Amino acid sequence: QVQLVESGGGVVQPGRSVRLSCVASGFTLSSHFMHWVRQAPGKGLEWVAFTSYDGSDKYADSVKGRFTISRDNSKNTLYLHMNSLRTEDTAAYYCVKERWEWELMGYFDNWGQGTLVAVSS
Amino acid sequence: QSALTQPPSVSGSPGQSVTISCTGTSSDIGRYNRVSWYQQPPGTAPKLILYEVYNRPSGVPHRFSGTKSGSTASLTISGLQAEDEAEYYCTSYTSTNTVVFGGGTKLTVL
Repeated sequence: QVQLVESGGGVVQPGRSVRLSCVASGFTLSSHFMHWVRQAPGKGLEWVAFTSYDGSDKYADSVKGRFTISRDNSKNTLYLHMNSLRTEDTAAYYCVKERWEWELMGYFDNWGQGTLVAVSS
Repeated sequence: QSALTQPPSVSGSPGQSVTISCTGTSSDIGRYNRVSWYQQPPGTAPKLILYEVYNRPSGVPHRFSGTKSGSTASLTISGLQAEDEAEYYCTSYTSTNTVVFGGGTKLTVL
């Protein structure tokens, strides 16, 4: 059974940094594209970034240059390093698994429970 | 990376059918069949209900179906049930190797 468990959220001041973690189980992390998706309070879903099985990555324009996605396959863990945080980054951040091995299709078949990041002074 | 366009809300009575549209461009929906749909009841994480335009993951009722024409994808829910009340989102893979979501549609079962 696939499980994705995020942690690391909380209240952080504008301009500061935070690192989110997502521990994966029930599947082979190293063979899947993995994503972060966020949802601001009362708003819709926004794709944030993905990391490929080979380490390549891609970002939404809204976070490019400030956020870094990474993974440690030996620890079955996905990360999102968030720098220069802004109030508009306030959201629940979901760790999301791509449906097929080795493929980037945008089919998110397993989601974590989400971790809330609130950027506020 | 402009969001795909969905109607903010739709509604229907139990037993009826509703259709939610999702309009993109020639760089996303119009170019690829990598369209998926998600159901998100309040306070829960989204759930994949359709992928590759019309394919249903195991456990998703046949009442949920999908189509695509040009740059517009559609989700149809037949035989509406009270438990279908939720927010629905579409996504598409894009020509810039990213993924884009629709703005979401709130389905109300009257």
